[in-house]
Amino acid sequence: DTGVSQNPRHKITKRGQNVTFRCDPISEHNRLYWYRQTLGQGPEFLTYFQNEAQLEKSRLLSDRFSAERPKGSFSTLEIQRTEQGDSAMYLCASSLVASGLNTGELFFGEGSRLTVL
Amino acid sequence: AQSVTQPDIHITVSEGASLELRCNYSYGATPYLFWYVQSPGQGLQLLLKYFSGDTLVQGIKGFEAEFKRSQSSFNLRKPSVHWSDAAEYFCAVGGSGTYKYIFGTGTRLKVLA
Repeated sequence: DTGVSQNPRHKITKRGQNVTFRCDPISEHNRLYWYRQTLGQGPEFLTYFQNEAQLEKSRLLSDRFSAERPKGSFSTLEIQRTEQGDSAMYLCASSLVASGLNTGELFFGEGSRLTVL
Repeated sequence: AQSVTQPDIHITVSEGASLELRCNYSYGATPYLFWYVQSPGQGLQLLLKYFSGDTLVQGIKGFEAEFKRSQSSFNLRKPSVHWSDAAEYFCAVGGSGTYKYIFGTGTRLKVLA
């Protein structure tokens, strides 16, 4: 078990560019979450997947954001036409939820820090 | 509205002193409560969680927390702080089967040698 892996760890981009982050969850976990954390704040829920299905998106996730989880394994979070307000740490987490089993614990990756100039 | 309040943004304690970090929550259903710790450049690590049962829960690294339903609180405690405990601590709330956890704004702990 290598934990939740995210890359890149840091991304600096110019306003208007597109960026993509990747998350590899713990292999047997069926749920995958994306959170955003800005300076001085706690993580805020963006979206989550149950296997390959994206089941909810937060209002924080504007149309410029898109997330996928093909085949229910890794996930990508793409931000199009980045804005300075998108600068944040993007955290991925995974968990295992099954009938009669929900530890409720989210396992977080180390995050991908985005800086938009 | 569902929310988590951590009233202390920064706390400084001396090494060896006791610690209590406060967390108050507002949640419409039976809450699941969590404390996570985040070191610089690191992801969040779960310290402990409360689902039901004994209201005093033990976690890793010598931490414990007490759930008080009447006060809507879930305060984190440690009897003797170590320098390596310096980090940011987040309280979070969720519910049975929930996929959406609400985090507080965090408390940054500084430990003096």
